[in-house]
Amino acid sequence: DTAVSQTPKYLVTQMGNDKSIKCEQNLGHDTMYWYKQDSKKFLKIMFSYNNKELIINETVPNRFSPKSPDKAHLNLHINSLELGDSAVYFCASRAKAEYNSPLHFGNGTRLTVT
Amino acid sequence: EDQVTQSPEALRLQEGESSSLNCSYTVSGLRGLFWYRQDPGKGPEFLFTLYSAGEEKEKERLKATLTKKESFLHITAPKPEDSATYLCAAGGSNYKLTFGKGTLLTVNP
Repeated sequence: DTAVSQTPKYLVTQMGNDKSIKCEQNLGHDTMYWYKQDSKKFLKIMFSYNNKELIINETVPNRFSPKSPDKAHLNLHINSLELGDSAVYFCASRAKAEYNSPLHFGNGTRLTVT
Repeated sequence: EDQVTQSPEALRLQEGESSSLNCSYTVSGLRGLFWYRQDPGKGPEFLFTLYSAGEEKEKERLKATLTKKESFLHITAPKPEDSATYLCAAGGSNYKLTFGKGTLLTVNP
C-alpha cells in the first residue's frame, strides 16, 4: 500500500519535448513537494503546495509548472526539455506545512533528456 | 541562506566496526534536524527528528545526537544491510527542508 506514488518511474525523452510527472499520496497529508536530485545526489527543493495553494516556489525555470488539482495530488509539467533537466525528481508529502514534521518521499522519477 | 554540510562523503566499514557520520548546519531558527536513509533507486526514508541541543534518539544500531551546530549519526556494530546513503536535513523558519549531500556508507561483511 504505497504512501507516496509517482508515475512514471523512468522517463526518456528528447530535447524540446514537453512531459509530465504525476504524484499521489494516500496519507491524508496537507502539504506536498517536488524535489530534484542531481547526478551528485544533492536534493534541492523546487515547489511546495499546501492544500492546493503554492507556498514555496524556488528559483526554477518557468518551463517547470506544478499543478495541484486536490491536496492528494501534485503534478509537475516540464516544457521544452533541456539536457540539464536530466535528474531524479522526487515527490514528497508532509502532514502539515509545519517546521518540524518529517517529509515522506516517493521513489522518484528518473528523467533522461537526450 | 540555510546550509547543511555532511562528512565524510563516503565511508567504508567492516561489519561490526562502529563509526559516526557528521552533519553541520547553519539554519535560521532551527525547527528540526532530520536524518533519512536512501537506498539505490528509492526515495529517502525517514529515520529521526531532533528538535533541541542535547536530544538523542535511537533505532536499532543507529543513534542520532544534536548540538547547536552539528548532528551526529552513530552506527554501532553495523551490518551489511546498513549500507545506504544517509541524508541530513534541517528545517528552519520556513516550510523548507534543506538537505546535505549525504554520506554513502558501505559495510563489508
